[in-house]
Amino acid sequence: NAGVTQTPKFRVLKTGQSMTLLCAQDMNHEYMYWYRQDPGMGLRLIHYSVGEGTTAKGEVPDGYNVSRLKKQNFLLGLESAAPSQTSVYFCASSPHLFSTLSGANVLTFGAGSRLTVL
Amino acid sequence: GQQVMQIPQYQHVQEGEDFTTYCNSSTTLSNIQWYKQRPGGHPVFLIQLVKSGEVKKQKRLTFQFGEAKKNSSLHITATQTTDVGTYFCAESFSGSARQLTFGSGTQLTVLP
Repeated sequence: NAGVTQTPKFRVLKTGQSMTLLCAQDMNHEYMYWYRQDPGMGLRLIHYSVGEGTTAKGEVPDGYNVSRLKKQNFLLGLESAAPSQTSVYFCASSPHLFSTLSGANVLTFGAGSRLTVL
Repeated sequence: GQQVMQIPQYQHVQEGEDFTTYCNSSTTLSNIQWYKQRPGGHPVFLIQLVKSGEVKKQKRLTFQFGEAKKNSSLHITATQTTDVGTYFCAESFSGSARQLTFGSGTQLTVLP
């Protein structure tokens, strides 16, 4: 199994350009997430999805849109990129979120996508 | 929003020394998870703590959850160069929105 696959791994954009990051998981997980990681800031949740056709805002959603048309895919879009969106983006998935069953809400992360906005 | 403080931000140790990182919250946590991220890599799940006062061990790693479920710690005994990386705690808060919030991480450097 591939787990969680993110594409592309690297991308350089100019301010104002648009792009989409693709996340695909083959574990039949219900929950999917997009995080961004900046130095000293840890991982901040952008948007998440609790199932096919659903999305919800996280901590830092402004400037991003997401879609989950298929259970296995979660897309993160930037309509008009800004230098402040230069970051490493991680997609993650989990079977559930709020469950104390062992491993039920453990996040499996993709390898990350490094985005630079000039 | 909910916040969790993780300290220290950086830690340099000599190989063989012990290391501890702490997560503290002002509100009660439902459970806490710990992840490790190697340099250039992605976060990888280490463990989950659910019960008040819970202690779990994985070889040289010891994880604790506070009695009041407001803090947690990760202790590594006799560090090795393979322990290098950033350690994150991640919390879900009792009664909160459906989010898992990460601490800012502790970056561990192990000097040979």
